[in-house]
Amino acid sequence: DIQMTQSPSSLSASVGDRVTITCRASQDISNYLVWFQQKPGKAPKSLIYAASTLQSGVPSKFSGSGSGTDFTLTISSLQPEDFATYYCQQYNSYPLTFGGGTKVEIK
Amino acid sequence: QVQLVESGGGVVQPGRSLRLSCAASGFSFRSFAMHWVRQAPGRGPEWAAVVIYDGSDKYYADSVKGRFTISRDNSKNTLYLQMNSLRGDDTAVYYCARGSSTGGRYMDVWGKGTTVTVSS
Repeated sequence: DIQMTQSPSSLSASVGDRVTITCRASQDISNYLVWFQQKPGKAPKSLIYAASTLQSGVPSKFSGSGSGTDFTLTISSLQPEDFATYYCQQYNSYPLTFGGGTKVEIK
Repeated sequence: QVQLVESGGGVVQPGRSLRLSCAASGFSFRSFAMHWVRQAPGRGPEWAAVVIYDGSDKYYADSVKGRFTISRDNSKNTLYLQMNSLRGDDTAVYYCARGSSTGGRYMDVWGKGTTVTVSS
């Protein structure tokens, strides 16, 4: 199975900050990576697929990059509604696997 | 609008069975792969199973293989998860999710989830 490792596991940031989250795959997954946002008590919501393609309706402050084994999610200017937990997930092969999550909290 | 509504969750004793359903609307259900993803309390999501658009192929996580069965009824726009031999570590919110139109292997639309608690 492909292991997905996210870092950091949590971070504190202020409104307006630029935030970067990283995700590393245990083997080459090309660009078969999706980023999700999850708020407490809600289902995950897809933000970016194919490592860097914005899901329809997702604001452009979110961006993704990377290929192979190393990926990043960047939020250009953090807003109050962005405080949430973010997960990466590989879809190169079954079983689909998620990273451990990054909780973005208010400083 | 695209909607997925799960049902069938509840409290069940270890070793017993439960069947979850997911009613789909607002899209051509028969054209999409469908997934079940679960999330234990305080943990991240865990993919459980997928069935392709016509039901002819299915994949499972090792943690549920042999105990859970995913199926679909395209005439009823409904996805199912039959869960047998339930264990305490199956306690989770179970989400139904649509596979993307580009290959179906990531989930682009999610339901709100149904809670399964396995406890004596």
